[in-house]
Amino acid sequence: GQQLNQSPQSMFIQEGEDVSMNCTSSSIFNTWLWYKQDPGEGPVLLIALYKAGELTSNGRLTAQFGITRKDSFLNISASIPSDVGIYFCAGQRTGQNFVFGPGTRLSVLP
Amino acid sequence: EPEVTQTPSHQVTQMGQEVILRCVPISNHLYFYWYRQILGQKVEFLVSFYNNEISEKSEIFDDQFSVERPDGSNFTLKIRSTKLEDSAMYFCASSEGGVMYGYTFGSGTRLTVV
Repeated sequence: GQQLNQSPQSMFIQEGEDVSMNCTSSSIFNTWLWYKQDPGEGPVLLIALYKAGELTSNGRLTAQFGITRKDSFLNISASIPSDVGIYFCAGQRTGQNFVFGPGTRLSVLP
Repeated sequence: EPEVTQTPSHQVTQMGQEVILRCVPISNHLYFYWYRQILGQKVEFLVSFYNNEISEKSEIFDDQFSVERPDGSNFTLKIRSTKLEDSAMYFCASSEGGVMYGYTFGSGTRLTVV
């Protein structure tokens, strides 16, 4: 089946630092979504991307749909403690359901 | 803001017992999904449901699983005879229009099979 890889698996950063994470696949996807999951909660949609090369922002978050359509990137600027959580990418091929990556666990140190 | 509601938040059941997980999707959404997440692992697709029938299901969704929309608001996942490996968080999600919209997830039901 389709596999998504996310890196890094986990990261520890200082409050105020910028964060970069990515999601890669051997398959082409037509839609990329980025979700954040807090402990004990369901994933919450952060950003949706629909076209190769698309760059979309949501507050301090910026995500890009890779040109090859096999990857996507998420950046968080000026991290704050509430950014802590697991960030999942999800990709979709036309007519198929979304598949999720394994997640990047973000810890923010004060 | 509209939300997807799941009940119960936590269920403990004995192996071999049947469980029904309940979800109330967002009222104007047409597409419904069940995902599961084994502790510490990624979110896995189980089944999608549209127009009162299953539109897609994964390998995980075997004969022990079934879904139903018994009335206009509820969407249920039934596991007929639970196994230890069914222990996971089960998330319901709904979508207004498929690919053009992201899914809205519920907070999940933590199922523990003992």
